[in-house]
This record gives sequence, structure tokens and C-alpha cells, in this order.
Amino acid sequence: GAVVSQHPSRVICKSGTSVKIECRSLDFQATTMFWYRQFPKQSLMLMATSNEGSKATYEQGVEKDKFLINHASLTLSTLTVTSAHPEDSSFYICSVGSGNTIYFGEGSWLTVV
Amino acid sequence: SQQGEEDPQALSIQEGENATMNCSYKTSINNLQWYRQNSGRGLVHLILIRSNEREKHSGRLRVTLDTSKKSSSLLITASRAADTASYFCATDGRGSGGSNYKLTFGKGTLLTVNP
Repeated sequence: GAVVSQHPSRVICKSGTSVKIECRSLDFQATTMFWYRQFPKQSLMLMATSNEGSKATYEQGVEKDKFLINHASLTLSTLTVTSAHPEDSSFYICSVGSGNTIYFGEGSWLTVV
Repeated sequence: SQQGEEDPQALSIQEGENATMNCSYKTSINNLQWYRQNSGRGLVHLILIRSNEREKHSGRLRVTLDTSKKSSSLLITASRAADTASYFCATDGRGSGGSNYKLTFGKGTLLTVNP
């Protein structure tokens, strides 16, 4: 079964609204989770490192006020895309590491119309 | 973070043929991993090779790593139509702030296996 669960798998929202994506670690506690973004026909780019109980670390060029990350518990990190625009339409995927393995969520397709 | 390069960007072959994809990276690594992604889906982990390893096999997959050239190759033998997907290499390590869990992905190769 899945070790990391993402929800929702697909979401369509109107331009200007906010969307929350959840990443849950089902089998173990995760002090760190990672959020990636993938535009169509492109590779995955790391957006930020989600740290439990503290602020996320954002990669260069990623707006922290637009992509809000909350990691309030050891099993849940959320990514909120605020004031979404069509150019935010993308595939968002999270990952969690444990031992020698990295587990990815199933990903979330966001379409902003 | 810097991304590696895969070549070719797209590869189209006939079923039964072998497919070779290459990946280059820019920083020192701990591990290099290959992932597969079907269109519109999540990632499937294929194989991990450590920086002190040169070659690794898993079923029809063969991965090589040349740390002096900062490059890796993925060979899929006796390809099948079901192998059609995008393939990405990903590295961790010094270029990822030292974390083994923080990955830098290559640009990927889109493999099409024609029946």
C-alpha cells in the first residue's frame, strides 16, 4: 500500500482562489518532507523543504508568500497555492525519506481556470 | 538547484530492441537514482546506484555510473510497449545541501516503444 498519500489527486480552481494540497506520511513520522512541481512535459523541480515545527526552506525563485507550506505534525505537510493563476497549473508531488528510501506521493494535478 | 541533463530527450524504438538513456550531473553525489513516470502519473522508483558503485542490474535494467565524468546510463533490454514512459535520473548529496532525501532531477527522456 501507499506509504505517502497526497490529496486531492486532481483539482480545478478558479483564478484568484487558493488551493490546499495535503501530503501525508502513512507509515512513519517525517520531520522533513519535500515539495516538487512539474510543468507539462518538463522535469521535476524542487520547490521547498517542509520542516516539522518550523518554517519551510524555499528554493531560489519560489515565492514563499504564494506557496504556503505548513508542517504542523510529523505526518502531514500541506502546500497552499494562494491567489492561484493559470500559470500555476502544474503537477505537484511530495516526497518523504526514511532509511535508505525516498517515497513519493501520487501527485496532485492543479488546473487553474 | 542545478539540473542534470538527459539524452536523448526523446527515444523511439521497436519492441524487443534495447533502449539506452544517459544522464549527466554537475555536483558530487551520494547516490543516483532512476525513476519512471507514465504520462500524467506519479514516479516509480527503478534503481539506486551509490557513488562507490559502477554498475547495477535489476531485471531488464542495467545502470552504470561514472563519477569521474559525472554521468550515468540506464539500459532497458528487450523493451516492451509497456516500457513507454518518461525516465528521469535524480541525484542527491552535496548538490542537494547534503541531504540524501532532497533530489535534483534530470530533464528526462521520453521513451516510446512501438509494438
